[in-house]
Amino acid sequence: EVQLLESGGGLVQPGGSLRLSCAASGFTFSSYAMDWVRQAPGKGLEWVSGISDTGDTTHYADSVKGRFTISRDNSKNTVHLQMNSLRAEDTAVYYCAKGERLPGTPSLIDYWGQGTLVTVSS
Amino acid sequence: DIQMTQSPSSLSASVGDRVTITCRASQGIRNDLGWYQQKPGKAPKRLIYAASSLQSGVPSRFSGSGSGTEFTLTISSLQPEDFATYYCLQHNSYPFTFGGGTKVEIK
Repeated sequence: EVQLLESGGGLVQPGGSLRLSCAASGFTFSSYAMDWVRQAPGKGLEWVSGISDTGDTTHYADSVKGRFTISRDNSKNTVHLQMNSLRAEDTAVYYCAKGERLPGTPSLIDYWGQGTLVTVSS
Repeated sequence: DIQMTQSPSSLSASVGDRVTITCRASQGIRNDLGWYQQKPGKAPKRLIYAASSLQSGVPSRFSGSGSGTEFTLTISSLQPEDFATYYCLQHNSYPFTFGGGTKVEIK
């Protein structure tokens, strides 16, 4: 059974930093791309960032480019999201998600964690 | 970036109704689209991948169709457990983008 467990959320002041982690189990972690998706309170889903199975390719939404960094450690089955220069509009539940490899196309999310809440406020 | 326009943003329907939700892409995305269901306080769940392939374990009353720029999710006979919010997601090119969501409520 695929399990994704996020941690590291909490309250941080504007301009501060936070590092989210996601511990994966139940699948061969090093064979799959991983993503982070967020959801602001009462709002829709927003894709934030993705990383390839080897970790050599990363992608970001324009809203976080230059402030957030995604990384992974395949020896520990974990993926991280380093969030710097945080703003009030970054307040959201952050979901870790696994990508399913589909022929001839970037991976599509098939499993999600339960999310961790990040609140940016003074 | 590819924009995904989802409609309607909300709808009211009765148990047994046929429900259709639409997503339009700002440019062609082949069939690189998934549909997700989200219930309050829960993580999303994938229903459809490759625009029309049913995720294992998902009831057959859910179906997806479309290719290129226009896609639909259909629930053939709405059940009480289907009241939720539905999202499309394009994965044709980065950055991936979601539709704005459709909240399906009880009439």
